[in-house]
Amino acid sequence: RKEVEQDPGPFNVPEGATVAFNCTYSNSASQSFFWYRQDCRKEPKLLMSVYSSGNEDGRFTAQLNRASQYISLLIRDSKLSDSATYLCVVNQVNAGNNRKLIWGLGTSLAVNP
Amino acid sequence: DTEVTQTPKHLVMGMTNKKSLKCEQHMGHRAMYWYKQKAKKPPELMFVYSYEKLSINESVPSRFSPECPNSSLLNLHLHALQPEDSALYLCASRPGGANTGELFFGEGSRLTVL
Repeated sequence: RKEVEQDPGPFNVPEGATVAFNCTYSNSASQSFFWYRQDCRKEPKLLMSVYSSGNEDGRFTAQLNRASQYISLLIRDSKLSDSATYLCVVNQVNAGNNRKLIWGLGTSLAVNP
Repeated sequence: DTEVTQTPKHLVMGMTNKKSLKCEQHMGHRAMYWYKQKAKKPPELMFVYSYEKLSINESVPSRFSPECPNSSLLNLHLHALQPEDSALYLCASRPGGANTGELFFGEGSRLTVL
C-alpha cells in the first residue's frame, strides 16, 4: 500500500459544481496534513493546512479523519481558475522520530465552462 | 508572485558541463530545500538545509552538490549529469516555527541534459 494515495482523476466538472477529493495515508503516526495546488508547469503552492477540527477558507474546506486515515478537500462553486493538480502532503514520523513529508501523486481537476 | 527566486529559469547542458542553480529568499526563513520534479510526478526531496547546515541528503548522487553560502542563498552545483536528470528543480523555504509541511516554493529551474 502506498504511503499516501490519491485518485489521479482527471475530474472534469462544470463551473459552479462542488467537487471533493480524498487522500488516504498509511502511517497512523502521521502528524500534520496539507493540500497543495500545482498549475501546469508551475511550482506547488500551499492551499491549506488541514487541522483536526477541519478548516474552511472561502470555497475550500479541508477535513481530517484520523480514525479512517484520510483527509479530504471540498471545493464549492468551482471556477475555471480552480483547474490544477491538487497534491496531498502528509508529515510522517518514522521509527527514529524523524519527520518526512510524503507527497501524493496528485489529483487533476479540470473545470469546464 | 513567489518570494523565493530561482535562476536560471531554463538551463540546457551537456553531460560534461558544470553548471549551478541558484535560489534566494529574503523572508528570513532558516530552512531551505531542493526538490526534483519529473512530469506528472510529485516533487521528490533531494536536500534540506537548516540554519545553513545540511540536515537531510536523500541519497542523492554526488553529481549534485548543494551549497548554502548564507541564510538567504542556496545553490545546487551540477556536474557530469545524465539525460535522466532532466527535470524541474524546485527550491523551497520554510519559516522557523512553521509546520514542517508549510513550504514556499520558487518557480523552479527547468533543466535539460543532452
